[in-house]
Amino acid sequence: NAGVTQTPKFQVLKTGQSMTLQCAQDMNHNSMYWYRQDPGMGLRLIYYSASEGTTDKGEVPNGYNVSRLNKREFSLRLESAAPSQTSVYFCASSDLQGTGLYFGPGTRLTVT
Amino acid sequence: TQLLEQSPQFLSIQEGENLTVYCNSSSVFSSLQWYRQEPGEGPVLLVTVVTGGEVKKLKRLTFQFGDARKDSSLHITAAQPGDTGLYLCAGAGTGGFKTIFGAGTRLFVKA
Repeated sequence: NAGVTQTPKFQVLKTGQSMTLQCAQDMNHNSMYWYRQDPGMGLRLIYYSASEGTTDKGEVPNGYNVSRLNKREFSLRLESAAPSQTSVYFCASSDLQGTGLYFGPGTRLTVT
Repeated sequence: TQLLEQSPQFLSIQEGENLTVYCNSSSVFSSLQWYRQEPGEGPVLLVTVVTGGEVKKLKRLTFQFGDARKDSSLHITAAQPGDTGLYLCAGAGTGGFKTIFGAGTRLFVKA
């Protein structure tokens, strides 16, 4: 099993460009999440999907959209990238609520 | 707004020493998790504690959940260089989906 996979691993965007970060999990987990990690601020929840067909805002949703494509896949879209969105983005999945998250390797995004 | 505060932020010790990392909040959590993250990788789940007062052991690592379910500690006995990394605590509230993270404790164990 690959666990949680993310593409791309690295990306550089110019301000105003758009892109979609892809995430897939093969653990048959119901819930999936997108976090961003910035120095000194820990991991902050952007959006989550409790189950297939549902999505909800987390702590820092502005500037992002998500799509739960099916049970396996959860994508994060930046419609008009801003320098403040320079960060490392992690996708995660979980089976039961509150039992722990399984993270992907991350996407390192730089917006110039 | 729920917050988790970790201390210390940074710890540099010699191989063989013991250490404790603390995770504190004014909020009650339904569960608390500990993760370890190495540079360039995603966090890896070490343990989940769900019952107030619960103690879990993972080899040389001991995790404790406070009686009131507002705080937790991670104790490492006889630290080794392989323990070097960023340790993150995370709390899940009622409903469990909005797991929040502390800023982390960066541990460096010198050989």
